[in-house]
Amino acid sequence: LAKTTQPISMDSYEGQEVNITCSHNNIATNDYITWYQQFPSQGPRFIIQGYKTKVTNEVASLFIPADRKSSTLSLPRVSLSDTAVYYCLVGLHKLIFGAGTRLAVHP
Amino acid sequence: GAVVSQHPSWVICKSGTSVKIECRSLDFQATTMFWYRQFPKQSLMLMATSNEGSKATYEQGVEKDKFLINHASLTLSTLTVTSAHPEDSSFYICSAREGSPTGELFFGEGSRLTVL
Repeated sequence: LAKTTQPISMDSYEGQEVNITCSHNNIATNDYITWYQQFPSQGPRFIIQGYKTKVTNEVASLFIPADRKSSTLSLPRVSLSDTAVYYCLVGLHKLIFGAGTRLAVHP
Repeated sequence: GAVVSQHPSWVICKSGTSVKIECRSLDFQATTMFWYRQFPKQSLMLMATSNEGSKATYEQGVEKDKFLINHASLTLSTLTVTSAHPEDSSFYICSAREGSPTGELFFGEGSRLTVL
């Protein structure tokens, strides 16, 4: 299973764009890249999933370069409520969580 | 969207007792469910894969006799922590995938177990 590496923590301010990059050098051909958000004492919540290039939904964008060895989650105009832990997961069936990135959004 | 529900959301028990946590997929059938545990300030750790109608597959280091998993139907998986001890206190989270193996993985709200 592909291992992921993310920054441990990030700080931002309301209204800014936040980009969180995840490294997954040994991603397999069939693996998808999925990002989850987790608030304290809650289960993770799906944000976005992609295989290659760029994916966009109503809350985020996911950029995946051609070699797929990394991916970047982009959160446009963050608010205080986006303060959470963000996890990058790589896999097809069974998903293993890495350490995640603790994002703190300040007023 | 699909919903996965856990019950109870929190439970307190005495050391030595057993506790059962239920995980239900409310509006879809899940042939496979996953159980995770999470300690404070740490990431989720996969414990086992629960397969409907067959034995669960446990991750390395997880005691199968300690954490009994039953997947009796396509919408229900249960995790029983047997002879619980304070070190079993944790946040237990289940998840289920809707549809294909690449479909979105939905997580339950989590169940916080405190063993006194």
